[in-house]
Amino acid sequence: QSALTQPPSASGSPGQSVTISCTGTSSDVGAYNYVSWYQQHPGKAPKLMIYEVSKRPSGVPDRFSGSKSGNTASLTVSGLQAEDEADYYCSSYAGNNNVIFGGGTKLTVL
Amino acid sequence: EVQLVESEGGLVQPGGSLRLSCAASGFTFSSYWMHWVRQAPGKGLVWVSRIKSDGTTPGYADSVKGRFTISRDNAKNTLYLQMNSLRAGDTAVYYCAREAGGVLSLDCWGQGTLVTVSS
Repeated sequence: QSALTQPPSASGSPGQSVTISCTGTSSDVGAYNYVSWYQQHPGKAPKLMIYEVSKRPSGVPDRFSGSKSGNTASLTVSGLQAEDEADYYCSSYAGNNNVIFGGGTKLTVL
Repeated sequence: EVQLVESEGGLVQPGGSLRLSCAASGFTFSSYWMHWVRQAPGKGLVWVSRIKSDGTTPGYADSVKGRFTISRDNAKNTLYLQMNSLRAGDTAVYYCAREAGGVLSLDCWGQGTLVTVSS
């Protein structure tokens, strides 16, 4: 059960778009459309941003979008705002009643 | 209001045991899968365990399999995590979370509770 691979950091200026990748294998990300993304501000509990690859829970701005190609899922944040600065984590079902998270990406709004 | 509240963690010696609980309110607890996720200080999120709405089909991360046991009491709206043979590497903030609205969609999280394993 190796963690999904995310870049440690990403950045963008206000108003720009940034994409965070999440790379797994054909046994997890590539096998199931069960990828979720979470936002976590320092000292806070995570917040669900995207589930089942590209679905957005109610209340999440449509600036956040998700996609998947092969073994790699992506989270795109458009129109960056200062409050988007946070850590982002992907997760995926890995079969056999297992779930794995990515190592996390620190998003900085310049 | 949907709410999850974890019990207080604490300091435990290596090899010791601790049971965490997570009290749910504001929703029909017995209808949802529930998860435990942990986060070591300054580190990322790590999935620990999950359990089906009816208390069956528990799943565990390899790192805790055989040492941790997840359970629930739907009559008391409470989720549990029994942690045995604790190691320094188990030191983390432990979160309980509800899966709702979609597969592995953890839409509600508790505030987290810190478990420290140290002598």
